[in-house]
Amino acid sequence: GEDVEQSLFLSVREGDSSVINCTYTDSSSTYLYWYKQEPGAGLQLLTYIFSNMDMKQDQRLTVLLNKKDKHLSLRIADTQTGDSAIYFCAVTWHTGTASKLTFGTGTRLQVTL
Amino acid sequence: DAEITQSPRHKITETGRQVTLACHQTWNHNNMFWYRQDLGHGLRLIHYSYGVHDTNKGEVSDGYSVSRSNTEDLPLTLESAASSQTSVYFCASSGGQGANGELFFGEGSRLTVL
Repeated sequence: GEDVEQSLFLSVREGDSSVINCTYTDSSSTYLYWYKQEPGAGLQLLTYIFSNMDMKQDQRLTVLLNKKDKHLSLRIADTQTGDSAIYFCAVTWHTGTASKLTFGTGTRLQVTL
Repeated sequence: DAEITQSPRHKITETGRQVTLACHQTWNHNNMFWYRQDLGHGLRLIHYSYGVHDTNKGEVSDGYSVSRSNTEDLPLTLESAASSQTSVYFCASSGGQGANGELFFGEGSRLTVL
């Protein structure tokens, strides 16, 4: 199966950049996602990257994918207090004819003033 | 607007009781999923369905069951609740192929088993 690892906690100051990292094990991964969970709510898709891409930028968000090292990162520029949340990396991988999705443990981002 | 709703949002029950958590989506999605969220484990897949009358076990399916009699609903049943099943449960749906595509999540059901 697929293992997806994230660090549990990250603290940054408002206005700084945040970088949340994720490593995975299965080289057949096709889609890689970042979800955001605000307190008391379900997860919402932030962005995703297809495995044939190295980078994707969407306003303040930059996703970097290093397929060789099986490493995915999410950079949030100019981090705001509203960015405080848990961020989940999720990876689609394949077994035979089926596709599966595995979530990481989530990284809690704390933004301080 | 299309949405996905879970009920109840909070439930306290006793060990050994049967509990059913409801999930209803109006996206007309074929794919529906149940996850549990626990500290240090992230989200773990309990059961999933790719269409009416289709159900599959996820990585932590023991003690849980689901049924899919229509497109909109995937209720999750705990046949005999155990304290280890105290958790926050999330239902999700997607319109993609298999595990691909964006998942739309409900707001969660917090279950406490005493």
